[in-house]
Amino acid sequence: DVQLTQSPSSLSASVGDRVTITCRASQNINIYLNWYQQKPGKAPSLLVYAASSLQSGVPSRFSGSGSGTDFTLTISSLQREDFATYFCQQSYSTLRTFGQGTKVEIK
Amino acid sequence: QVKLQQWGAGLLKPSETLSLTCGVYGGSFSGFYWSWIRQSPGKGLEWIGEINDVGRTNYNPSLKSRLTISLDSSKNQFSVNMTSVTVADTAVYYCARWKDPLRYDVSSGYAFDTWGQGILVTVSS
Repeated sequence: DVQLTQSPSSLSASVGDRVTITCRASQNINIYLNWYQQKPGKAPSLLVYAASSLQSGVPSRFSGSGSGTDFTLTISSLQREDFATYFCQQSYSTLRTFGQGTKVEIK
Repeated sequence: QVKLQQWGAGLLKPSETLSLTCGVYGGSFSGFYWSWIRQSPGKGLEWIGEINDVGRTNYNPSLKSRLTISLDSSKNQFSVNMTSVTVADTAVYYCARWKDPLRYDVSSGYAFDTWGQGILVTVSS
């Protein structure tokens, strides 16, 4: 299995802050890494696919980067509606796996 | 805009069979894998398995012995059955869509791009 480790597990930030979340894969997964946002009581929603491609309709303040084993999701200027939990997920292997999540809370 | 709507029993006793169905509305059934994913506080998000429009399946090896994923293409629906449930199977279960790599180029993105609303399944005696 490809294991994904996110850091930090949680963070506190203010509106307008720049936020960076990292995801490390247990093996080289090229660019086969996706990011999702989940709000309480809702299903996850796709933000970024193939490491750096923004899903249609996602605000441009979200961006993804990385390849191989190390990836980042960046929110350039945190908005109130961005307080949520973020997950990475690999599409390298058929046994699809997710990171454990990063909860972004209001400072 | 495709929408997924799921339904099924939300309360089970240990050893019973979990059965959920997901309907696909407003989009094509072909060209995709149709997946089941669950989420629990203890195990996070866990991929269960998937089926494509011609019935090819892939299962999580840790659950494979208890799983059957099937489809009814005439109704644009797919289903999951999981036998012999235990308390550890308590979770929110989601259905989701994934592009079939044989039909779409990698540049279009292989990801869960559409999700159902989720159903909480509780296993309790």
